[in-house]
Amino acid sequence: DAKTTQPPSMDCAEGRAANLPCNHSTISGNEYVYWYRQIHSQGPQYIIHGLKNNETNEMASLIITEDRKSSTLILPHATLRDTAVYYCIVRVANAGKSTFGDGTTLTVKP
Amino acid sequence: DTAVSQTPKYLVTQMGNDKSIKCEQNLGHDTMYWYKQDSKKFLKIMFSYNNKELIINETVPNRFSPKSPDKAHLNLHINSLELGDSAVYFCASSQPRTAGYGYTFGSGTRLTVV
Repeated sequence: DAKTTQPPSMDCAEGRAANLPCNHSTISGNEYVYWYRQIHSQGPQYIIHGLKNNETNEMASLIITEDRKSSTLILPHATLRDTAVYYCIVRVANAGKSTFGDGTTLTVKP
Repeated sequence: DTAVSQTPKYLVTQMGNDKSIKCEQNLGHDTMYWYKQDSKKFLKIMFSYNNKELIINETVPNRFSPKSPDKAHLNLHINSLELGDSAVYFCASSQPRTAGYGYTFGSGTRLTVV
């Protein structure tokens, strides 16, 4: 699985968009980008995934650059409940494991 | 209805004891996993089973033995518990044959060895 690099922490004002970057410069052509988050003391929660096109669901949007070497997770209107550690993972869709890095601790402030 | 459920939620035990953690998923997924999250919050995969067959066994002491009686259950038995085994253990499941499926995690079992 390709290695990912994320900033260790970010702050965001409540109601604003939170943009979380992820670098994955060694991503392979058949590897997807997945995002998860872990709210304190809970199990990680799947947010969104994509291969090369931008994706949107009820939780977030995922923007993947054309060369696929980086991506951005966007929470359009962050709330206090979005405070969590966000993990960016790249892996082959049918691979057996996801390798979690250190993630980004997002703190949403009032 | 909880998709991935683990029991117990908390487990406090003495060094040297043997304990088990149970996991069940009702999602119909073929693959289940055990992850360990230590005090530094790093999530590390331990095992993965696909349809009752072991497919991933990371560098884990052989005191840890997973058991999958059927594809909906993956239990973790730990022998001779050590202080360093204290961590939160997460069970997860996924459906790898379907491209893009994410993992569904349980709420974790906090193991404290004293």
